[in-house]
This record gives sequence, structure tokens and C-alpha cells, in this order.
Amino acid sequence: GQQLNQSPQSMFIQEGEDVSMNCTSSSIFNTWLWYKQDPGEGPVLLIALYKAGELTSNGRLTAQFGITRKDSFLNISASIPSDVGIYFCAGQYNYGQNFVFGPGTRLSVLP
Amino acid sequence: DVKVTQSSRYLVKRTGEKVFLECVQDMDHENMFWYRQDPGLGLRLIYFSYDVKMKEKGDIPEGYSVSREKKERFSLILESASTNQTSMYLCASSQSGRSTDTQYFGPGTRLTVL
Repeated sequence: GQQLNQSPQSMFIQEGEDVSMNCTSSSIFNTWLWYKQDPGEGPVLLIALYKAGELTSNGRLTAQFGITRKDSFLNISASIPSDVGIYFCAGQYNYGQNFVFGPGTRLSVLP
Repeated sequence: DVKVTQSSRYLVKRTGEKVFLECVQDMDHENMFWYRQDPGLGLRLIYFSYDVKMKEKGDIPEGYSVSREKKERFSLILESASTNQTSMYLCASSQSGRSTDTQYFGPGTRLTVL
């Protein structure tokens, strides 16, 4: 079945640094979603991508839909302590199908 | 804004009890989902529903059942709770079949089975 890989699994960065993470698939997807999950809470949708090559920003977050349609990237600029959490990607093979979720990247921000 | 609510944030039950987890969404979405989330295992789909009174098994349906009597409400039932069902349960909803599908999650219910 379809599987998503996320890299890195975890990362420790200094406050103020930029962050990059990615999500890769063995299958082509039509939609990529990025979520953030705080401890004990449900995932919150950050950015949705629907077109190969699309670059979308949400504040300090920028995500890109890879041109091969098998990957997506999330960047966080000038990290702050509240960026701490787990970042999940989700891909959808075709419209109307269930999403497939990655295992998450755990981000820690050191003051 | 889309809102998905879950009836309890924390729940403690005993082995063998029947457990109901309720989920309500306010965006008239056709699709609703129940996942469980465990450390190291990620999100695993238990059941989903594309319409009222319709249900489909996900990847790990054993030990669970669901009910969708109204479009906005999707219930997860543990007929006889067991300790291996201790987990974080997440409900989600999405619109159906449009070119811009998006899935929204509730805040989660942390269930502990003693």
C-alpha cells in the first residue's frame, strides 16, 4: 500500500533558526496536507497543497508540492518556542480517497 | 472555521466496559473518520463513513464498531474495552470528492482502560 516517509524523525534547533523537513512517497499524490500536533491535542491543519510545484505560505511557514508529485516540503523560518510539536504530512492519491499520513517529525526548539 | 468536537478529552474505563466516543462536526461534511494514535505507530484508521448509515472498515477495525445515524455525528463504540485499546482517539471529517479535499481533526480523546 501507499506509505509516506518523513525526514528527519526529530530535530533540535535553536530559537531563531530556520527549519526544513520533507515528506516522500512511493506513489504520486494529488493533494498534500501539513499538520502540527501539540502534546495531548489533535492535529491542526497548517497548509494544503493541490498542484505540483505549488508554493504556499502561512505566516512563517512555507510548504511546497514537489514537481514529481511524490514529495512535499515544509519550511519554518525564524523558529520560536511555540513551534515545538510534531509535524505530520498527509497525501491523497486521488480526490475522494482517504488520506495517508506520515509518521511525523518531532521538532524541539531550544531557547 | 471547521469545527470537529469530541465528547470527552479524557476517559478512564475498566476492562469489559462498553465505551462510546462521540464526534460532531459542524461543516456539513460527508466523510467522517476515526483514528487511533499510538507512540511509534502513527495514525491508524479504524473506521470511516462516507454518508449517513454507511460505514467502512479501516486498517484496524477489530474490537470496534461505529454508528452514523446523522450526518454531523459519528460514534465509535468499544463493545468490551480491553487494556490494548488504551490510546489517543482522533475523529476527523472532510468534504467529499472535490478537487480540494481537506481533512480536519477533533481535539482527541485520551482513553485509558484499566
